[in-house]
Order: sequence, then C-alpha cells, then structure tokens
Amino acid sequence: KQEVTQIPAALSVPEGENLVLNCSFTDSAIYNLQWFRQDPGKGLTSLLLIQSSQREQTSGRLNASLDKSSGRSTLYIAASQPGDSATYLCAAPSNTGNQFYFGTGTSLTVIP
Amino acid sequence: KAGVTQTPRYLIKTRGQQVTLSCSPISGHRSVSWYQQTPGQGLQFLFEYFSETQRNKGNFPGRFSGRQFSNSRSEMNVSTLELGDSALYLCASSVQGQGREAFFGQGTRLTVV
Repeated sequence: KQEVTQIPAALSVPEGENLVLNCSFTDSAIYNLQWFRQDPGKGLTSLLLIQSSQREQTSGRLNASLDKSSGRSTLYIAASQPGDSATYLCAAPSNTGNQFYFGTGTSLTVIP
Repeated sequence: KAGVTQTPRYLIKTRGQQVTLSCSPISGHRSVSWYQQTPGQGLQFLFEYFSETQRNKGNFPGRFSGRQFSNSRSEMNVSTLELGDSALYLCASSVQGQGREAFFGQGTRLTVV
C-alpha cells in the first residue's frame, strides 16, 4: 500500500520568501503525482499534476518536481504572498489509478 | 466549464439517522470517487465509480454505500449515523480513473449530533 508523507506539517514564513514543501512516497511505480491546495473548510484545488515521464511542472509562481527513484516530490513557491496561506496536499495514485493516497498536508502561513 | 458540484454543502443529522450526499462531476468525466476528511485521519478513500460500476472500495463499514447513475452523477449514503461519521466528504471526478488529473468539489460538511 502506498504511503505518502509530507514535511513539514506546518510552516510560517514572511511575505516574499521562497519556500519548499516536501512530499515522499513509498511506491515509486506511480503514473503521476498531484499537488492540491485546500483552504479551511473548503474542497481541494488542483495546483499541478506531474506525469511519471516528467521531472518538473510549472504554473506561475509554483514549480513541482518529481523524482520517482527516490520517492520524492517538492513544491516550490516563489515570492510567497499572504494569499498563499492554505494547506498543501500531495497525492499519489494507486497502481490501478482508481484512488489517491494523500499526505497529511503542510499548513502554510505567509505573514504580511 | 462547471466544476464538480456537491450538494448539500452542510448537513446536521442525529445519531442513527441516514444521509445521502450528491456529487455531479465535470461534464464528460465518468470516474467519480469519494473521500472522507477528518482532522485525525486526514483524507481517506471511500469508493470509486466508473460507468455506473464500483471499481474500488476503501476500508469503511458497510454502512457506507454509493452508486453512480447513467449521467455519471453519484450519490453516497451513510446509514445508522455515528458521531464519528462527522467529517468533510469530498467528491472527485476525472476523465477516467487511471493516471488522469482529478478535480474535487467543495465538499459536504456532515455533523452528527
């Protein structure tokens, strides 16, 4: 069974800083890995999807990398803003692709 | 285009009652999956449906059930509610389950009193 771990559990940074969120997974035979954002009490918003054939994916100030051999993915946020404050979750699909295994998330607070 | 729609957004039920939650996927998406999110357990997979067939089921008691209709809309039902069923229930849709980007709804917040 896939196990997904996210470090750190919580992170507080001043506005403008660049930061890195980490995600590790135990089964490297994954099709892809997806990063989500969740605001309090809300659903999940898809940020980036990295296919297994890719090493990086970028969207605006966000950059996600995937290293299957080491079982790791990172989400890089450049020039953080208070509006980036949320919980960030990574998710790896099962072998059949019919379900996701989620990490416990990193709660990010960007201080103005 | 419209996103994943879950109804209702909030529910308060009494122990022992049953509840039905609804999820309308993005148009053209045939895979719908359900997750339970609680502070202690995080996001846990309930089940996944594709073309009206349940393809996968998580480790939840039989009180949790679901179905999918021909228009891909899905419902989940929880019978004999317990206090521990209080959670945010999230629905996700994708073009098909395998290796495709998943999109989530806003969730249904269920409170059991």
